[in-house]
This record gives sequence, structure tokens and C-alpha cells, in this order.
Amino acid sequence: DAGVTQSPTHLIKTRGQQVTLRCSPKSGHDTVSWYQQALGQGPQFIFQYYEEEERQRGNFPDRFSGHQFPNYSSELNVNALLLGDSALYLCASSLNIWEASGGKNIQYFGAGTRLSVL
Amino acid sequence: AQTVTQSQPEMSVQEAETVTLSCTYDTSESNYYLFWYKQPPSRQMILVIRQEAYKQQNATENRFSVNFQKAAKSFSLKISDSQLGDTAMYFCASMEYGNKLVFGAGTILRVKS
Repeated sequence: DAGVTQSPTHLIKTRGQQVTLRCSPKSGHDTVSWYQQALGQGPQFIFQYYEEEERQRGNFPDRFSGHQFPNYSSELNVNALLLGDSALYLCASSLNIWEASGGKNIQYFGAGTRLSVL
Repeated sequence: AQTVTQSQPEMSVQEAETVTLSCTYDTSESNYYLFWYKQPPSRQMILVIRQEAYKQQNATENRFSVNFQKAAKSFSLKISDSQLGDTAMYFCASMEYGNKLVFGAGTILRVKS
């Protein structure tokens, strides 16, 4: 059973460019969440996708956008890159249910994509 | 809004000893979940333990246990019989309805031989 996979593992871009990061969820999961983790800090929630729609969004500008495909995989797009966008981008998958038992709301993380903006 | 605070930037412990990592949180919800995740140098975030707020019993997973004090909004992680492989960044996180995780700033734990 494959876990959450992200590609690429590393990426180097220059300011102003655009980037697309990809995520395949754990088998059986239907919800994908994206987080940005700056060096030495905790992850910050960017947005969450379920049924191919953005369901929740954190405090990130519109330069950050995403997509979810019918097979539940997801992309994160960042336009007009800034130096401050350099970070580890984490994808997490889960089931879109809010249950009091069974651990079904646990988010499983991929190994992340390290983005460096020069 | 949810907030999570970890006041210990770094901790160290001798192999085989016990260490406790602190976490406080704030939420206006009555139903929520709390988590401890571990992030080793490999970057993969790994779930250590999960606590459901409506359960008074503290969660345990092998050498890992929590002290959940709901009234004080405190959620500490105790690691017993520390092993070298426990060396990692540890994040406390909360989740309200909607499955969005809010993380603390993390605590670096170093286990020394």
C-alpha cells in the first residue's frame, strides 16, 4: 500500500517564475491538504481539496492555487514566485469525515517538495 | 481561531531516560483532536499519537503517552525509555471540524548516547 507521494523532491526556481507541485494521496483517501513549512518553523495550512473543489483555505495569497483530479491526486501551483516562497511544501491525505473514533481523520504526510527561489 | 504553542525550542535526553515535551493550545470548540507528529531529518512527518478531546483517558502508544489537561488546555508528550531513533523535531497540532491541522513551532529533541 503506497503512502502519500510527492514530486519533485527538490526544485529550484527564480523570482517571478511559476511552479507546480504534485501529490498522490494514500490509497483510499479522498481529501488532500497542502502545507507550507518554512525553515525551522511548523507547517502552515495553505488549502484543502475534496471532490475536486477547494474546501478550506488558509491565509495565503491568490498566487497559490490548486487542483484536485478525479483520481484524488492534487497539484499546488504558485505564480510570480517570491524569495519568501522558499520552503518545504507538504501534502497530506485523509478521509473527509469527522468521526469521533477509528482514527479516520488522521492526516498522512508525504516527504515534501523542497522549493528554493533564487 | 486555533493556536498551538510549544515553549521549548530544544530539549535533550540521555538514552533510556524519560523526557516530556510541552504544548498548550487554544480553541473555542468543544469537539477537537490533538496530535503529536515527529519529523526526523528525512522530512517525513510521522504521527506519534492522537487524542480525542471528548475522551478523558490519556492516549498511549507503546513508549509514548500524553498528559491531556482539558481545562488547562495543555497536551504534553512523554517519551519513556528514549532511543537514538527518537531524535527529531516534534510538533504538537490541533484539529477542529474541517480537518485543518494547526501546528506549533516545534521542539527539537536530541537523544544522547
